[in-house]
Amino acid sequence: EAQVTQNPRYLITVTGKKLTVTCSQNMNHEYMSWYRQDPGLGLRQIYYSMNVEVTDKGDVPEGYKVSRKEKRNFPLILESPSPNQTSLYFCASRNTGDLPLHFGNGTRLTVT
Amino acid sequence: QKEVEQDPGPLSVPEGAIVSLNCTYSNSAFQYFMWYRQYSRKGPELLMYTYSSGNKEDGRFTAQVDKSSKYISLFIRDSQPSDSATYLCAMRNSGGSNYKLTFGKGTLLTVNP
Repeated sequence: EAQVTQNPRYLITVTGKKLTVTCSQNMNHEYMSWYRQDPGLGLRQIYYSMNVEVTDKGDVPEGYKVSRKEKRNFPLILESPSPNQTSLYFCASRNTGDLPLHFGNGTRLTVT
Repeated sequence: QKEVEQDPGPLSVPEGAIVSLNCTYSNSAFQYFMWYRQYSRKGPELLMYTYSSGNKEDGRFTAQVDKSSKYISLFIRDSQPSDSATYLCAMRNSGGSNYKLTFGKGTLLTVNP
């Protein structure tokens, strides 16, 4: 089954404790992206990657890092999480020339 | 002015009703217009998309784009309880290397049996 898989689905952590949210897609998509979804603000892009070793900032990149060492994986790294990063995070992918963004089922992160 | 405005609702309708969902936008460079549906505890999934102005129909769903008014709509006919979800409009430019979508905040729809 074609899908974007995020782990974990739920995560509660404390301020300053580094964490990684993994994202993997099995559709051989070149493009991958991370979004966060907040009430009243909607979905906002954090980072995106056009291909392996090619990443760039979206609209809200502060406090986040990403890497793209393999085509299928695009982890989101929070080096020193803060409470304002409490949010619902979505990873998405698409193929070149293919319109739809395919989303994962989200990771709900709470930073206390 | 926000790039994309969408009434968050909530919207509650009886089963069988016609539902109209709308978004307005300010960026005249937007060329692709989409509607995503998001069920609770799930990621958004693409429902409809149109390029530039015009209408597109798919079963009970019709998407309309009026670029002159910077206004897009999604109509749901004969609404069903299974249509209960948050509906997100999204749009993007035709050019650029980032396939970034700009989303509306979403409208929460409940269809009551």
